[in-house]
Amino acid sequence: AQSVTQLGSHVSVSEGALVLLRCNYSSSVPPYLFWYVQYPNQGLQLLLKYTSAATLVKGINGFEAEFKKSETSFHLTKPSAHMSDAAEYFCAVSDRLSGGGADGLTFGKGTHLIIQP
Amino acid sequence: DAGITQSPRYKITETGRQVTLMCHQTWSHSYMFWYRQDLGHGLRLIYYSAAADITDKGEVPDGYVVSRSKTENFPLTLESATRSQTSVYFCASSESGAANTGELFFGEGSRLTVL
Repeated sequence: AQSVTQLGSHVSVSEGALVLLRCNYSSSVPPYLFWYVQYPNQGLQLLLKYTSAATLVKGINGFEAEFKKSETSFHLTKPSAHMSDAAEYFCAVSDRLSGGGADGLTFGKGTHLIIQP
Repeated sequence: DAGITQSPRYKITETGRQVTLMCHQTWSHSYMFWYRQDLGHGLRLIYYSAAADITDKGEVPDGYVVSRSKTENFPLTLESATRSQTSVYFCASSESGAANTGELFFGEGSRLTVL
C-alpha cells in the first residue's frame, strides 16, 4: 500500500508570503498525486493533480506543485498567501484498494494552513 | 441540483443505537466511497463501491455496514454505535478509479457524535 507523509500539521505564514506545504510519498512506481483543500465545515475539493504529464502542475487559486521523482516529493506552493487560503490541505496518492478491485486515494493526515494578517 | 449530498449533516446518538448516514449522487458515477475524518488521522477509507451491488472494505471497516442497491445511493450504517465512532464522515464519488481521472467529489460531511 502507498503512503503519504505531510510534514507539519500546522503551517503559519503572513499574508503575501510564500506558501510551502510539504508532501512525500512512498511508491515503487511513479504514482498519481493530488492535493485537495478543505475549507471549514465543507468537504474536500481538488486543487490539482499530477498524472505523469508535466512535472509542474498548476491548480486553482494560484497554487502549483512540482513532482520530483528523485525526492519522492510533491510539495504545494503559492507565491503570495491570501487570507482566503486558510484551510486544511491534504496530499493524496492513488493506490490499489484493499479488495484489489479498484484504485482509490490514500490521504495524508493534512496540514492546517494559517494566514497571519 | 446536481452533486453529492449527505444527510443528516449533524447527528447525536447514544452508544448501542443504530445510525444510518445517507449519501446520494446525481452524476451516475460508478465509484462511491465512505471516509471518516479524525484529528491526527486525516481521512481513512471505511468502505467503497465500484458499482451497484459491489462493495468492499477499506482501511477501517469494523463496526460499519454498507449497501448499494442503486448507483446513486450509498448508505453507511453503524449497527451499534460506539464512542470511538464519533467522527466526521465524508461520502465521495468518482467517475472511474483513481488510476484514470483520480478526482473524487466529496459531500459536505456528516458530523456524528456518539454519547
